[in-house]
Amino acid sequence: LAKTTQPISMDSYEGQEVNITCSHNNIATNDYITWYQQFPSQGPRFIIQGYKTKVTNEVASLFIPADRKSSTLSLPRVSLSDTAVYYCLVAPSGGYQKVTFGIGTKLQVIP
Amino acid sequence: SQTIHQWPATLVQPVGSPLSLECTVEGTSNPNLYWYRQAAGRGLQLLFYSVGIGQISSEVPQNLSASRPQDRQFILSSKKLLLSDSGFYLCAWSDSAMETQYFGPGTRLLVL
Repeated sequence: LAKTTQPISMDSYEGQEVNITCSHNNIATNDYITWYQQFPSQGPRFIIQGYKTKVTNEVASLFIPADRKSSTLSLPRVSLSDTAVYYCLVAPSGGYQKVTFGIGTKLQVIP
Repeated sequence: SQTIHQWPATLVQPVGSPLSLECTVEGTSNPNLYWYRQAAGRGLQLLFYSVGIGQISSEVPQNLSASRPQDRQFILSSKKLLLSDSGFYLCAWSDSAMETQYFGPGTRLLVL
């Protein structure tokens, strides 16, 4: 499984756009990239998933360059309620039973 | 829509006592089921996963066991708890075709 590297923590002011980048240099051809969000004392929540280029939903955007060796989760105009830990996962279809979540990126939104 | 339940929400147990945590899923059939543990300030550690009734795969050797007596029921057990078993236990499910995992509310276990 591809190993992922993401910053341990980030701070941002309310109303700003936040970009969290995840490196996955040894991503395989059939790997998908998935991001989860976790609030304290809650289970992780699926945010977005992509394979290449750009994916957007009502919560976030996911940018994946052509070489797919990294991905960037973009959160538009963050609010205090976006303070959470964000996990980047890379795994092939059918391979999620082996996924390791790691420690993620702790995003702190400042008033 | 699908929902996942876990209970209890919080549990305080003495060392050496048994453990049984239950997870149930509604609104789907033949889900993949997972048990994770999260220590304070740490990432999620996959403990067990199951692709069907009676089919359990263990990821980490430990003091815990899992069972799946029904299609949408997943149970985490221990015969004798250790201090190191303290943590936040999360159950998750995924549709075997989609793989995205959906997590339950979790059980916070404190072993004293």
